[in-house]
Amino acid sequence: GENVEQHPSTLSVQEGDSAVIKCTYSDSASNYFPWYKQELGKRPQLIIDIRSNVGEKKDQRIAVTLNKTAKHFSLHITETQPEDSAVYFCAARPNFGNEKLTFGTGTRLTIIP
Amino acid sequence: DGGITQSPKYLFRKEGQNVTLSCEQNLNHDAMYWYRQDPGQGLRLIYYSQIVNDFQKGDIAEGYSVSREKKESFPLTVTSAQKNPTAFYLCASSGLGSNEKLFFGSGTQLSVL
Repeated sequence: GENVEQHPSTLSVQEGDSAVIKCTYSDSASNYFPWYKQELGKRPQLIIDIRSNVGEKKDQRIAVTLNKTAKHFSLHITETQPEDSAVYFCAARPNFGNEKLTFGTGTRLTIIP
Repeated sequence: DGGITQSPKYLFRKEGQNVTLSCEQNLNHDAMYWYRQDPGQGLRLIYYSQIVNDFQKGDIAEGYSVSREKKESFPLTVTSAQKNPTAFYLCASSGLGSNEKLFFGSGTQLSVL
């Protein structure tokens, strides 16, 4: 089955700087890669996703890049703000049948004012 | 709330007691999932169901049971066999197919008295 590794487990950045979180996956059949943001005590919320037919996707200050050859994908947050502080999870899913998502272990991002 | 309702928000279990967590969705999603989240940990899959009257074990099914009698409902029972039930439980749902996204409920915090 799929295995997703996520790094780093914790990340602190100064407000206004950029943050990068990286994930690797094992199953070459995976082709859907979402990112979720979870604030303390709240539900995880989908913030951006990418499919394997594109290499990069942007949504305002958030971008995700995908390297299928190396089997890794990354979340980039630019101009970080205090409200970006949260736990971020990556996930991967193959595109055959009705496979379920496999999640990474999460990154706790802290934005330092 | 994204159409997925979990109740109660907080639940306390006594030793030897079974408790049931409710999850209802009005998104007409075929698939529903239960995840367990321990403090500072990732999301671990307990059970999932892709069709009424059918469900599969996830990675940590021991000590839990589910039913899927209706498309909208996927209750989780934490049995007395689960010796360490204290955790944040998240229900999720999605459609079936490669373009479907996963959405989470607001979670239930279960604690042992």
